[in-house]
Amino acid sequence: QVQLVQSGAEVKKPGASVKVSCKASGYTFTRFYMHWVRQAPGQGLEWMGLINPIAGTTSYAQNFQGRVTMTRDTSTSTVYMELSSVRSDDTAVYFCARGGSSDWHVPQDYWGQGTLVTVSS
Amino acid sequence: DIQMTQSPSSLSASVGDRVTIACRASQSISRYLNWYQQKPGKAPKLLMYDASTLQSGVPSRFSGSGSGTDFTLTISSLQPDDLATYYCQQSYSAYTFGQGTKVDIK
Repeated sequence: QVQLVQSGAEVKKPGASVKVSCKASGYTFTRFYMHWVRQAPGQGLEWMGLINPIAGTTSYAQNFQGRVTMTRDTSTSTVYMELSSVRSDDTAVYFCARGGSSDWHVPQDYWGQGTLVTVSS
Repeated sequence: DIQMTQSPSSLSASVGDRVTIACRASQSISRYLNWYQQKPGKAPKLLMYDASTLQSGVPSRFSGSGSGTDFTLTISSLQPDDLATYYCQQSYSAYTFGQGTKVDIK
């Protein structure tokens, strides 16, 4: 069965970087895009970007351009999302979610459990 | 960027009621509209894609309709397990979520 298992909660000071991992299993890792979506406390969902695991190519939402980096390790079927220069409004639960195999229009069908990132001085 | 607007932002209904949630896009998105259900403390769950295609395993009391800019999600007979927040998402150009509709059971 498809599983996405994310790394544990993080606490960071403003200005630091945070890196969250998402380990995939139960399917061919390189065949499906992986997305990152975040949710601030009590707020809605915000799409951050995606990575194509086979090529390593990425597409980021405009709000995160220049601050987010998504990478992957095909040997461990793991994707990473690194957010730099974090501030208090980056406090949120960060989700990885599997997307389509070649079609951008395909929605996210499997989701990780979420990783809480807290930014506090 | 394409903006998505849901209405209402919250609703309260009785078990067995028919519930409808609306979602409007700021420009035409063809039928690239998805619906997710999120229960408190959990990850979102895909309910519907391409406006009206039910994701595998989702109960048939959920249905979707619309194209272009206006879409609806309908729960034909509300069940206690449907207590959740529902989000629409466009996947026509990048991805944008609506602000969510919280469904409570009276």
